[in-house]
Amino acid sequence: SQELEQSPQSLIVQEGKNLTINCTSSKTLYGLYWYKQKYGEGLIFLMMLQKGGEEKSHEKITAKLDEKKQQSSLHITASQPSHAGIYLCGADTGNQFYFGTGTSLTVIP
Amino acid sequence: DTAVSQTPKYLVTQMGNDKSIKCEQNLGHDTMYWYKQDSKKFLKIMFSYNNKELIINETVPNRFSPKSPDKAHLNLHINSLELGDSAVYFCASSQDSMGLGSYQETQYFGPGTRLLVL
Repeated sequence: SQELEQSPQSLIVQEGKNLTINCTSSKTLYGLYWYKQKYGEGLIFLMMLQKGGEEKSHEKITAKLDEKKQQSSLHITASQPSHAGIYLCGADTGNQFYFGTGTSLTVIP
Repeated sequence: DTAVSQTPKYLVTQMGNDKSIKCEQNLGHDTMYWYKQDSKKFLKIMFSYNNKELIINETVPNRFSPKSPDKAHLNLHINSLELGDSAVYFCASSQDSMGLGSYQETQYFGPGTRLLVL
């Protein structure tokens, strides 16, 4: 089993719709990172969460960390075609860094 | 079966030495990457190879030289190691069968190599 599970694996939404991607760790989280994968540029850092209950927003993307559940969610409000891509979470468990399985997001205009 | 493997997992060495980190993927992917994770856990891409050809070469010192003997392997050789090279290095691969462009593929990461330069 994966140390870091992401769901859903893929997501297709109509432009303007809201969506949520989840990332669940089997280990205690010391830090949770969200990235967007972009070919030709590598990973693009989106946000980092460290404290339980922490929430951060950037433009229309909001990420939350529920430390008790060892889970984080990435929420996109009013999705746009520019949001399409692969979203990846990364987890710092103290002595190891794990990556999620990735979520492919397609936004239909 | 391990999809993306790196060796060694830990590497402790003296300043000035030359060392290599190996990466292998058994996923049949066309593209492989090397990332450096800094002290804040941020990942920065260093190199990317597609079918043994270099396609991304970010601003890294010439002391870092990637070598891809075949598309399943992308090794990272580092000459004259410096203290600032200490970091975790991650290898990744993706199936970029569409070639260069806007097509986006999930990258699969190795477990990381923890390099400590003394």
